Amino acid sequence: KNQVEQSPQSLIILEGKNCTLQCNYTVSPFSNLRWYKQDTGRGPVSLTIMTFSENTKSNGRYTATLDADTKQSSLHITASQLSDSASYICVVSSGGSQGNLIFGKGTKLSVKP
Amino acid sequence: DAMVIQNPRYQVTQFGKPVTLSCSQTLNHNVMYWYQQKSSQAPKLLFHYYDKDFNNEADTPDNFQSRRPNTSFCFLDIRSPGLGDAAMYLCATSRGELEQETQYFGPGTRLLVL
Repeated sequence: KNQVEQSPQSLIILEGKNCTLQCNYTVSPFSNLRWYKQDTGRGPVSLTIMTFSENTKSNGRYTATLDADTKQSSLHITASQLSDSASYICVVSSGGSQGNLIFGKGTKLSVKP
Repeated sequence: DAMVIQNPRYQVTQFGKPVTLSCSQTLNHNVMYWYQQKSSQAPKLLFHYYDKDFNNEADTPDNFQSRRPNTSFCFLDIRSPGLGDAAMYLCATSRGELEQETQYFGPGTRLLVL
């Protein structure tokens, strides 16, 4: 069964600290993996998208990694800010149309001053 | 700015009373999607339109219908809302239907069923 598992479910860190969020998937076939940021009460916003051949991709203080062999991805946030408080959702595409996107449940990150 | 707009942001309805949620986009994207997201859960795709072609997910209840009268607008109709339909409803668009296309989400409409 195609699944996307994220960990931890929630995380609290202090402002300025780094953190890493994990995403493991069992989606097959694999086409690409996205990380979205969803602020409370808002729609998700795309941070990164990686295909099979990409190992890492950065977007400002966000760096995503992908290991297609172990089917794992991580999202590393550097020098966290209060505005980073949000849910981070990992989404894996199994190819074909957009209807084949598998969403993780997200990691809820809280950045405290 | 080009964007995806959802109205209203919050909607309260009564059990069994039909309700319509609205989505519009200025991105001129071909594809529009409706997702249901319950608290602490992943968004669940209900259906999507590629242009005027409607694609319903197999497990979307018949209670949910959609209309896309033109490129810019898409509506979600819930014919007889139940308590279990209380959720955030997200509209998204993408330029094309291929999996590498990024989806752009609206802010969502939070539906409360009394």
